[in-house]
Amino acid sequence: NAGVTQTPKFQVLKTGQSMTLQCAQDMNHNSMYWYRQDPGMGLRLIYYSASEGTTDKGEVPNGYNVSRLNKREFSLRLESAAPSQTSVYFCASSRQALTGNTIYFGEGSWLTVV
Amino acid sequence: TQLLEQSPQFLSIQEGENLTVYCNSSSVFSSLQWYRQEPGEGPVLLVTVVTGGEVKKLKRLTFQFGDARKDSSLHITAAQPGDTGLYLCAGPPLQNAGNMLTFGGGTRLMVKP
Repeated sequence: NAGVTQTPKFQVLKTGQSMTLQCAQDMNHNSMYWYRQDPGMGLRLIYYSASEGTTDKGEVPNGYNVSRLNKREFSLRLESAAPSQTSVYFCASSRQALTGNTIYFGEGSWLTVV
Repeated sequence: TQLLEQSPQFLSIQEGENLTVYCNSSSVFSSLQWYRQEPGEGPVLLVTVVTGGEVKKLKRLTFQFGDARKDSSLHITAAQPGDTGLYLCAGPPLQNAGNMLTFGGGTRLMVKP
């Protein structure tokens, strides 16, 4: 059972470089999310896609862009990486973007910007 | 300041001890969820509490939602090393029109054998 799969697992970038984090889910979920996790801060929502064809900003969207490529895939792009974007990134999905729906998380992507 | 404040941030106890983790807010939540996250993995949902005053039990874990739906607690009885991990509370505040989850900062629990 794959669930939510995200790549790469680890990445080191130089300041100013760009990269894309890929995410795919095989649960036929409508909603997908990108979070970042920093020590003591819990998880903060970067962007989400309530359904295929829609994307919306979350709590901390600056410096990121997203693409909901199809129902399965939701990518996160850093156009010009900054050290402040060093974090652990989690992709997640849920059946609907509504209260009470269980959110399933991927295993995380560790990103270091030097 | 985070919307959901968790305490304590860190907790190290011996196997067999009891503990309580708190999740507090000045805002009202329509529901609250508790997740556990192990190193190198994403959070996994443990429980959702919906009704003010609700108590849910999951084996040795007891979850309570405050009467005013502004706070929640997680009590673990006779903790075991397998309970070690990061515990996160999360919920959609009523003031959040998008219904997106807000997470607390987490409580990192270590249970020593």
